[in-house]
Amino acid sequence: AQSVTQLGSHVSVSEGALVLLRCNYSSSVPPYLFWYVQYPNQGLQLLLKYTSAATLVKGINGFEAEFKKSETSFHLTKPSAHMSDAAEYFCAVSDGTYKYIFGTGTRLKVLA
Amino acid sequence: EAQVTQNPRYLITVTGKKLTVTCSQNMNHEYMSWYRQDPGLGLRQIYYSMNVEVTDKGDVPEGYKVSRKEKRNFPLILESPSPNQTSLYFCASSRGTGFDTQYFGPGTRLTVL
Repeated sequence: AQSVTQLGSHVSVSEGALVLLRCNYSSSVPPYLFWYVQYPNQGLQLLLKYTSAATLVKGINGFEAEFKKSETSFHLTKPSAHMSDAAEYFCAVSDGTYKYIFGTGTRLKVLA
Repeated sequence: EAQVTQNPRYLITVTGKKLTVTCSQNMNHEYMSWYRQDPGLGLRQIYYSMNVEVTDKGDVPEGYKVSRKEKRNFPLILESPSPNQTSLYFCASSRGTGFDTQYFGPGTRLTVL
């Protein structure tokens, strides 16, 4: 069975500071991993995804994530937070079939 | 414009009154899925469809039905809604299997009194 754990339901950072959102997964097969972002009153949109091509994945809006198999982690980072990054972020895992498991989400607040 | 649309966006109803939430995509995607989003629980998959006339249960299918008679449409049916189905619902579509990007609709906020 697969699972996803996002540590920290709320994270606050100052504008210009490093953003680090944590995601750990459990999967019995090589996983496909995703980060989605949800802005207020909108649906989710893909930030980036890991599909085994490269362990460091670059996404939109300056975000990136590193797949670490030994740590079963796929943490999301951005070197410098911007006010427009305030949103809820979801990590998700798939085993390549049609089922997806999402984490519980991390709401990012960016302080001026 | 490539998009997933859902209707209605907001719905308030009463216990037991059948309702349907429609979902349509214009990207010719094979795969479609329904999720519900609840505070503290994230998104949970209700049902998914791999193609026309092919559907399967997700993690929380109880109380819901779906059908996929056309490739573009994937309606979610609540035959007898109950208050515990009050939630934010999202429809999503993708080209195919589990490594493809899912495209999400704008969501339907359902309140069952």
